[in-house]
Amino acid sequence: SQTIHQWPATLVQPVGSPLSLECTVEGTSNPNLYWYRQAAGRGLQLLFYSVGIGQISSEVPQNLSASRPQDRQFILSSKKLLLSDSGFYLCAWSVRHKTLAGVDNEQFFGPGTRLTVL
Amino acid sequence: AQSVAQPEDQVNVAEGNPLTVKCTYSVSGNPYLFWYVQYPNRGLQFLLKYITGDNLVKGSYGFEAEFNKSQTSFHLKKPSALVSDSALYFCAVRESWGGATNKLIFGTGTLLAVQP
Repeated sequence: SQTIHQWPATLVQPVGSPLSLECTVEGTSNPNLYWYRQAAGRGLQLLFYSVGIGQISSEVPQNLSASRPQDRQFILSSKKLLLSDSGFYLCAWSVRHKTLAGVDNEQFFGPGTRLTVL
Repeated sequence: AQSVAQPEDQVNVAEGNPLTVKCTYSVSGNPYLFWYVQYPNRGLQFLLKYITGDNLVKGSYGFEAEFNKSQTSFHLKKPSALVSDSALYFCAVRESWGGATNKLIFGTGTLLAVQP
């Protein structure tokens, strides 16, 4: 079966410090990978997605970046954190779209990382 | 533009009573619809999906959802609520023209509170 890991689970960082959050998926190959941020315990904002190694698409311009150095590894980074970067960061994966019939479209989420920027 | 609406910020229901969490959508083409549940400080868990076929979809933990094309709705239901069902529920729709990306558009979430 497939599993998705995120670490760390919680992180407290000062403003201006760098950030690196990691996400790995096991039990599948060539997944689509996603980074979301959930602010104020409610709405989900898609930050980045990737359909393959080295292929990153950004949804929202900001001081965050993402990388996919390996097939099942997705990293979220920042050179200098802002107060507004605080939130709950979620990684997700899905099977790569196979046909127009829409088979296996659901995304599966990791446990999340709670980031507090002080 | 495609969108998903969850008109209720919170739904309160007594344990043992039926529950409904509402979702309406707007898409071009055939809708692919999903429900997720989130417990505090946890990731989202997939409950069920509608792709095609029967309008009544059954999912995890006794939940089901009814797809209604004429009303563009996909309401989540459960015949008898449990206190442990208290959580945040998200409706989502897949972008019709997402191609290989499988991007989902999420609603704003509905907090379900089940009172004992």
